[in-house]
Amino acid sequence: EAQVTQNPRYLITVTGKKLTVTCSQNMNHEYMSWYRQDPGLGLRQIYYSMNVEVTDKGDVPEGYKVSRKEKRNFPLILESPSPNQTSLYFCASSLSTGQGASVQFFGPGTRLTVL
Amino acid sequence: GDSVTQMEGPVTLSEEAFLTINCTYTATGYPSLFWYVQYPGEGLQLLLKATKADDKGSNKGFEATYRKETTSFHLEKGSVQVSDSAVYFCALRLSGYSTLTFGKGTMLLVSP
Repeated sequence: EAQVTQNPRYLITVTGKKLTVTCSQNMNHEYMSWYRQDPGLGLRQIYYSMNVEVTDKGDVPEGYKVSRKEKRNFPLILESPSPNQTSLYFCASSLSTGQGASVQFFGPGTRLTVL
Repeated sequence: GDSVTQMEGPVTLSEEAFLTINCTYTATGYPSLFWYVQYPGEGLQLLLKATKADDKGSNKGFEATYRKETTSFHLEKGSVQVSDSAVYFCALRLSGYSTLTFGKGTMLLVSP
């Protein structure tokens, strides 16, 4: 089954404790992206990647890091989480060219709480 | 910059009522337009799309027409069901780019 998986689905942590949220897709997509969803603000893009070893900042990259060492994986790293990073996070992927680039596939989300 | 504006929710309807969720956009060039839906506790999934002016996207009884003259892509359904209760996001993608720009989302609540 074609899918985007994220782990963990729920995480409660404390300020300053480094964490990683994993994202993996099995559709051989070049493009991957991280979003955060907050009430009243919709989805905002954090980082995206056009292919292996190619990443770029989205609209709200501060406090986050990403890496793309393999095509299928795109982990989101919070080196020193703060309470304002409490949010619902989504990973998404798509082809990067052609009509298939129109459709982004989303993971189920990771709800992060930073105390 | 590019942006998408949606009507604020929640939109509250009774089952079988007619639905319209307004979406307008600002973009350089000629974007593709999308509606994504997020059911409770799930990620977003594509509902429908249109890639050029006057195209109509349709799926599951929902429709939206790409109106270049009014820069709009309003979502409509003739008869909503309780199972349509979800958050609906309008989005655009510029030609040659992979990044989507989303609106803030509109929550739809349908009661029996």
